[in-house]
Amino acid sequence: DTGVSQDPRHKITKRGQNVTFRCDPISEHNRLYWYRQTLGQGPEFLTYFQNEAQLEKSRLLSDRFSAERPKGSFSTLEIQRTEQGDSAMYLCASSLAQFSGNTIYFGEGSWLTVV
Amino acid sequence: GESVGLHLPTLSVQEGDNSIINCAYSNSASDYFIWYKQESGKGPQFIIDIRSNMDKRQGQRVTVLLNKTVKHLSLQIAATQPGDSAVYFCAETELGATNKLIFGTGTLLAVQP
Repeated sequence: DTGVSQDPRHKITKRGQNVTFRCDPISEHNRLYWYRQTLGQGPEFLTYFQNEAQLEKSRLLSDRFSAERPKGSFSTLEIQRTEQGDSAMYLCASSLAQFSGNTIYFGEGSWLTVV
Repeated sequence: GESVGLHLPTLSVQEGDNSIINCAYSNSASDYFIWYKQESGKGPQFIIDIRSNMDKRQGQRVTVLLNKTVKHLSLQIAATQPGDSAVYFCAETELGATNKLIFGTGTLLAVQP
């Protein structure tokens, strides 16, 4: 499978615990995005990497959230001191930067439930 | 109509009919648009895209129409099949920027056999 891969697919955690999600983008895609989606809503942009550089962060990304892409390949999204409001699906997407049109492909998402 | 929480706009069609899903986008500077299909519990799946220098683009059984004057997109699905049942989202972005996608309100397509 050469699509965007996310792990774990599901995570249940107690409030106050830290969680980390991993994303492996499509090989050679230099752009990587994290989105959050709650039930009944469209995905909302969280952050964006071009290679290893994090170039934009949404105001949705509080101080408890941190994302990395250390070698410009896989990325991790960590949520510290989780709150019930963090319960959502966290989606990773990747694309190849080109001005002719940057088709953006999503992974299957990581479901987070904070209890 | 408006979607609030779990109440997505719903389009119900008979199998074999054509479906038209509409979307209004917000940013006049957006120049690249994508339609995604999302099945329950899965991530958005790319269907078709269109750049702002085009009015129409066709794929296999799908056509996207873009009207920049009124900032409107539509997705036409020919000969709708039960497997087409899903939530459909349009997304807009600006090429040359971060390409972060802004998603519209989804539409639930329900195909009746």
